[in-house]
Amino acid sequence: AQTVTQSQPEMSVQEAETVTLSCTYDTSENNYYLFWYKQPPSRQMILVIRQEAYKQQNATENRFSVNFQKAAKSFSLKISDSQLGDTAMYFCAFMALSGTYKYIFGTGTRLKVLA
Amino acid sequence: KAGVTQTPRYLIKTRGQQVTLSCSPISGHRSVSWYQQTPGQGLQFLFEYFSETQRNKGNFPGRFSGRQFSNSRSEMNVSTLELGDSALYLCASSYGTTLTDTQYFGPGTRLTVL
Repeated sequence: AQTVTQSQPEMSVQEAETVTLSCTYDTSENNYYLFWYKQPPSRQMILVIRQEAYKQQNATENRFSVNFQKAAKSFSLKISDSQLGDTAMYFCAFMALSGTYKYIFGTGTRLKVLA
Repeated sequence: KAGVTQTPRYLIKTRGQQVTLSCSPISGHRSVSWYQQTPGQGLQFLFEYFSETQRNKGNFPGRFSGRQFSNSRSEMNVSTLELGDSALYLCASSYGTTLTDTQYFGPGTRLTVL
């Protein structure tokens, strides 16, 4: 069965610094996607970044980038130049597209950006 | 464009009752997905509807059901409520042409079961 593990329940970072959130997953699937979602306090969840498993190049969206290590089943999120608005709960998610559809989320990492 | 809206925002029910939650997607979106978020179990996928048909389903008991109307609005129903059904229920909409289309989330409905 697929699992998604976020081993850091809480993290903090100083404004303008860089922080990395970790995510590991377990699967025997070959065709899958990985996502990072952000859920700010009392606000809607939004998609931060996605990665297709068959693409070796790491995805990047402005200050957000991932380090995708397929063999190690690791999918970490790097936030550069952290801003106060980055304070949120971050969820890593796995979606399998072959066979039975599966969409599984990690338990989340609560990130606080400090002024 | 208006975002995803969910009604009601808060709901209190008692055990054994049933409840219906509503989700209006972004105009033009044909896919609506539902999620349950609890402190204990985290975020879990319930089901996804596309063009009035349930396309994908998570691992929830049959007490959880849903439907989608021709205007893409969706409802989720939970029958015979249990205390453990207390949660934030999120819906998300997307164009739905592929399963990985970007999903846009609503603010959620917070259900409390007493």
